[in-house]
Amino acid sequence: ILNVEQSPQSLHVQEGDSTNFTCSFPSSNFYALHWYRWETAKSPEALFVMTLNGDEKKKGRISATLNTKEGYSYLYIKGSQPEDSATYLCAGHGSSNTGKLIFGQGTTLQVKP
Amino acid sequence: EAGVTQSPTHLIKTRGQQATLRCSPISGHTSVYWYQQALGLGLQFLLWYDEGEERNRGNFPPRFSGRQFPNYSSELNVNALELEDSALYLCASSSGLVVPPGDTQYFGPGTRLTVL
Repeated sequence: ILNVEQSPQSLHVQEGDSTNFTCSFPSSNFYALHWYRWETAKSPEALFVMTLNGDEKKKGRISATLNTKEGYSYLYIKGSQPEDSATYLCAGHGSSNTGKLIFGQGTTLQVKP
Repeated sequence: EAGVTQSPTHLIKTRGQQATLRCSPISGHTSVYWYQQALGLGLQFLLWYDEGEERNRGNFPPRFSGRQFPNYSSELNVNALELEDSALYLCASSSGLVVPPGDTQYFGPGTRLTVL
């Protein structure tokens, strides 16, 4: 059974700070990892899908890395801005063809101006 | 390009009633997924439809059912509503062109169901 965990649960940073969050999963049961950003009252926004060990993806000031051998992914935000305030979710696929994403509880980021 | 849309935004029902939630996927997407976020819990997978067929369902009772129409839109039905069914229900769609683990699921804004 794939269990996805995220840390920290919440984070408060100042504008301009760089920050990172962790998503961990069982390395023996992995097919893909997805990152989403979810702002209050909006739809979760897809950020990245990563499938290969060593994958690195970047979108503006946000980047992510994947280590399937040790079972973790990091999400980095460089120079945080107030508009980055949101809950960041990671989700894993535990098998090849179920369509089922297993979500972590999320990391809630608050960026203070 | 329009995103995933859901209706209604809010729905208030009483115990024992039935609720119907609707989802329109992104144009060209053939797969639709349903997730539940109950208070204090993370997103839980409910159902996956692709090409009109139910492909997978999560650990939910049979009271939760749905269908996908020929235009790929979908509805989720919850029968015999219970108080604990109060939650945010999110619909997502994907192209179905990539094998599921790598296929991005694009989410709608959700329907907030309240059971009194």
